[in-house]
Amino acid sequence: AQSVTQPDIHITVSEGASLELRCNYSYGATPYLFWYVQSPGQGLQLLLKYFSGDTLVQGIKGFEAEFKRSQSSFNLRKPSVHWSDAAEYFCAVGATTGRRALTFGSGTRLQVQP
Amino acid sequence: NAGVTQTPKFRVLKTGQSMTLLCAQDMNHEYMYWYRQDPGMGLRLIHYSVGEGTTAKGEVPDGYNVSRLKKQNFLLGLESAAPSQTSVYFCATNPNRADGYTFGSGTRLTVV
Repeated sequence: AQSVTQPDIHITVSEGASLELRCNYSYGATPYLFWYVQSPGQGLQLLLKYFSGDTLVQGIKGFEAEFKRSQSSFNLRKPSVHWSDAAEYFCAVGATTGRRALTFGSGTRLQVQP
Repeated sequence: NAGVTQTPKFRVLKTGQSMTLLCAQDMNHEYMYWYRQDPGMGLRLIHYSVGEGTTAKGEVPDGYNVSRLKKQNFLLGLESAAPSQTSVYFCATNPNRADGYTFGSGTRLTVV
């Protein structure tokens, strides 16, 4: 079975600064990988996804993520954070065979300072 | 096109009461899922369904039952609510493995 670790529970960055949120997964092959964002009191919105091809993927809202097979990582990045990016971010992994359900990390809460 | 609709949005139950959460999707997807979200624990899979008439257990199924009598609806039941079931519940669906989920807006349940 797959698993996901998001090592950072809470991150604070200044507006305009760059951002990197970490995600490490455990799976026997390259899984399906996703990043979701959840604004306070809201549902979850898909930011980006990866399964194959270019290891740097672009998503919505100016986010990107890089898949590194050697590190079993799929870190989320943004060059310049906006105050509206304050939210909770979840990394998720899906198996390529068997059960289709996604496994989610515990989340990273992003706070943006003016 | 509403996507995934969850009802109710909020509910307060007393310990021992029962209730049913409804998830309805208009995307004609076979797969549907119920998760619960608790602080610091991310989303955990309660039950899922791979098609009409089928259900299966996820990681945290105890205390919950589900039914998928119609393809578009996936019901989550609590027969005897406990304070440990206080949580935010999300329903989701996806057409295939590569596309990720479409989520409902969630149901915030408090059991007192």
